Amino acid sequence: GAGVSQSPSNKVTEKGKDVELRCDPISGHTALYWYRQSLGQGLEFLIYFQGNSAPDKSGLPSDRFSAERTGGSVSTLTIQRTQQEDSAVYLCASSLVSGNIYGYTFGSGTRLTVV
Amino acid sequence: GESVGLHLPTLSVQEGDNSIINCAYSNSASDYFIWYKQESGKGPQFIIDIRSNMDKRQGQRVTVLLNKTVKHLSLQIAATQPGDSAVYFCAENANAGNMLTFGGGTRLMVKP
Repeated sequence: GAGVSQSPSNKVTEKGKDVELRCDPISGHTALYWYRQSLGQGLEFLIYFQGNSAPDKSGLPSDRFSAERTGGSVSTLTIQRTQQEDSAVYLCASSLVSGNIYGYTFGSGTRLTVV
Repeated sequence: GESVGLHLPTLSVQEGDNSIINCAYSNSASDYFIWYKQESGKGPQFIIDIRSNMDKRQGQRVTVLLNKTVKHLSLQIAATQPGDSAVYFCAENANAGNMLTFGGGTRLMVKP
């Protein structure tokens, strides 16, 4: 597509439930990133996928968080047993990485509210 | 002037004035820098980038200045408009690695 698409745009869930957030990157972009942004805060790195390489999971805050990327395209971020502190905007970005990195293109994010 | 807001530093400027948003980076190996603009309810948008072989780059109403000696990056916005109100992030990349490291962000508020 023309941009990075994320769904749903908003998600309200009950504490303890699992949620799945989806990201469709720009076609041809080999790198995909997930970030978390709490209210009024900066961007917190979660996980990074590059081609067929093993993902960099160093930013995942706990083992309740996981992500996969199927076929080098769509990615799903899963949060199990959600907690109130998981409430945030989850941003996905993709980039073309060929020698030098170019800027990320971000989606509009999924606003997750855990009640 | 600048003030520390609840979470993000805030810069308030009068419409029509020039704005300067600053960013300090810590990795002396960083060689690629980007400024992003994030409006309320949206993801960050690319504004302008600069590589370390340059110290200045101009776009439409925006200029990025890079001072590698003191590891400082700035974004200048000319004739600031209400539509420029947003949070601005700087980001850096080192040695063609595949990750950008983001600064904490500055909120720009434009007073009509």
